[in-house]
Amino acid sequence: DIVMTQSPDSLAVSLGERATISCTSSQSILYSSNNKNYLAWYQQKPGQPPKLLIYWASTRESGVPDRFSGSGSGAVFTLTISSLQAEDVAVYYCQQYFSTAYTFGQGTKLEIK
Amino acid sequence: QVQLQESGPGLVKPSETLSLTCTVSGGSVSSGNYYWNWIRQPPGKGLEWIGYIYYSGSANYNPSFKSRVTISVDTSKNQFSLRLSSVTAADTAVYYCASGGSTGYDNYHMDVWGKGTTVTVSS
Repeated sequence: DIVMTQSPDSLAVSLGERATISCTSSQSILYSSNNKNYLAWYQQKPGQPPKLLIYWASTRESGVPDRFSGSGSGAVFTLTISSLQAEDVAVYYCQQYFSTAYTFGQGTKLEIK
Repeated sequence: QVQLQESGPGLVKPSETLSLTCTVSGGSVSSGNYYWNWIRQPPGKGLEWIGYIYYSGSANYNPSFKSRVTISVDTSKNQFSLRLSSVTAADTAVYYCASGGSTGYDNYHMDVWGKGTTVTVSS
């Protein structure tokens, strides 16, 4: 199985400041035939299902604010929130869909400082 | 827009079989453009993918569950289902169904999720 590792496990950022979450896969999840990274980012608020934010590592889902961005390739990825808002408090997960044993990172809890 | 709704017993006894159903609305489980997943989340923990199925009935499972899990599809009811046998307290979790786009040989991100249903394993 591909192991997804996120860092940090938790993060406290001031309102309006930048938040950065990292995700590393144990092997490359870049598919050479289409040059796509099979990585998604999800946001989960308490009592709610995960919500898709980013797919193909850097494509923002429709309706997701543009302060959310994804970057990276191969095995190292980043989710950035450019200016933290109160409603962004949540747990964030990365997930690979490259290998059919889909796996998630352990999650990063984002709080307001 | 596809919507998903999980249903099933909220309480299951140890050693018995957990059975859940996901009802699809706004789309068809018979579509070859989607694949249909089950994911779970134990209390206070992260997400764990259980498996997926195509409309054809072809399924793929997480090796961690492979001997205990069966996912099936019922095109007449526009539903897909999860059965997990020999459950223990460790199977207590919120169970989600989710869908993603597929070409049939290439699966994409899971973009639609149900609200989830809580299953407790206890005598």
